[in-house]
Parts: sequence; C-alpha cells; structure tokens
Amino acid sequence: KNQVEQSPQSLIILEGKNCTLQCNYTVSPFSNLRWYKQDTGRGPVSLTIMTFSENTKSNGRYTATLDADTKQSSLHITASQLSDSASYICVVSGTSGTYKYIFGTGTRLKVLA
Amino acid sequence: GAVVSQHPSWVICKSGTSVKIECRSLDFQATTMFWYRQFPKQSLMLMATSNEGSKATYEQGVEKDKFLINHASLTLSTLTVTSAHPEDSSFYICSASSGFTYEQYFGPGTRLTVT
Repeated sequence: KNQVEQSPQSLIILEGKNCTLQCNYTVSPFSNLRWYKQDTGRGPVSLTIMTFSENTKSNGRYTATLDADTKQSSLHITASQLSDSASYICVVSGTSGTYKYIFGTGTRLKVLA
Repeated sequence: GAVVSQHPSWVICKSGTSVKIECRSLDFQATTMFWYRQFPKQSLMLMATSNEGSKATYEQGVEKDKFLINHASLTLSTLTVTSAHPEDSSFYICSASSGFTYEQYFGPGTRLTVT
C-alpha cells in the first residue's frame, strides 16, 4: 500500500533554533517528492520538489534531503522564525506521468518567541 | 505565475441548502483540476479529479451526486455541495495543473460551515 508517514506529528521550538522534520514513504515506483508549507486556513505552498536522482534541495532557510534507497526524506529549517509556524506536508508522486499526489499526515510546527 | 484562486474564502449555510465553490486558474490554462477536503488536523483527501469538458472522476467513497463538479472552461471549475449537512463542514481546497507538467498549484481554500 502506498503510504507517506511523517514525524513528529507536532513540534514546538524557540525562535532562532533549527529543526528537522522526517518523512518516510512506501510509494513505489517513485517519481518525486515535494514538501509543502500550509498556514492555518490556507492552501499548501510548495517549498521543494526532488526527483529520484536528487539528494538535496534548498529554498532559503529550508533544505530538503532525499534518500531514495531508504525511502526517507527530511526537511531542515534553519534559524526558525515565528512565521515558520505552520503544517509541513510531505507529498510523494508515484508512477511518472501521473497527477496523483500521496499526502503525508503533516507535521504541525509551532515557533515560540 | 501559476496562481489559483477560490471563492468564497469562507461560507456558512443552513442544513439542506446547496453551496457552490469556485476555483479559478488566474494566469494559466488548467486542463486538470482537483478538489480536496481537509478536516481539522488531518491532511488533504482527494475527492475528485476533473478534466476540462469531461465528467469528473470521483475517489472511492465520495458521493458524486452530493458533490457536483463542473469543469466547463480551462480556467474555472466549480464544486457544488448539494443538500449540505453539518458533517460536510470542512476546508475545501482545489488545485490546478496546466498539463505541461504534473505540478499541481493549490488554491487558498474555502471554509464551509453548515449549521
């Protein structure tokens, strides 16, 4: 069964600290993996997208890594800001050439001043 | 580029009435649009996929007669929740794809509350 699991479910950190969110997937065959940020009451906004051959992708203070062998990805947030408080969703696409997104359950991040 | 809008952003309706939600691609033509539902503290659940000019394909467990989807043009898709009930209260999100890539661009969502 194609699944995407994220951990932790929720996380609270202090402003300025770094954090890492995890994503494990069982989707096969694998096409690409995306990380989205979703603010409360808003639609998801794309942060990064990685294909099978990419190990890391950065977008400002966000850095995603991918290990296609172990089917794991992580999203590292550097020098967190209050505006980073949101849900972060890992999304995996299966067979290349399809629109189907398989969504993770998300990690709710709260950054405190 | 690749902006998707939804209208309304929130709506409150009475049980038994119908409500229509619009999804528009503002700066590209969307050959495929998707409708998702999201309950509190849960991830997005795909409801249906629609291609312009064709009938929507509904996911298992989604009642097509209750959630009417129309994708009449390359920039507009509508979701009509018919005979709404309180359990239909949710956050509805659409996404759109141009067909040149398989990237989905998400709208800001519509909060539906049925009283």
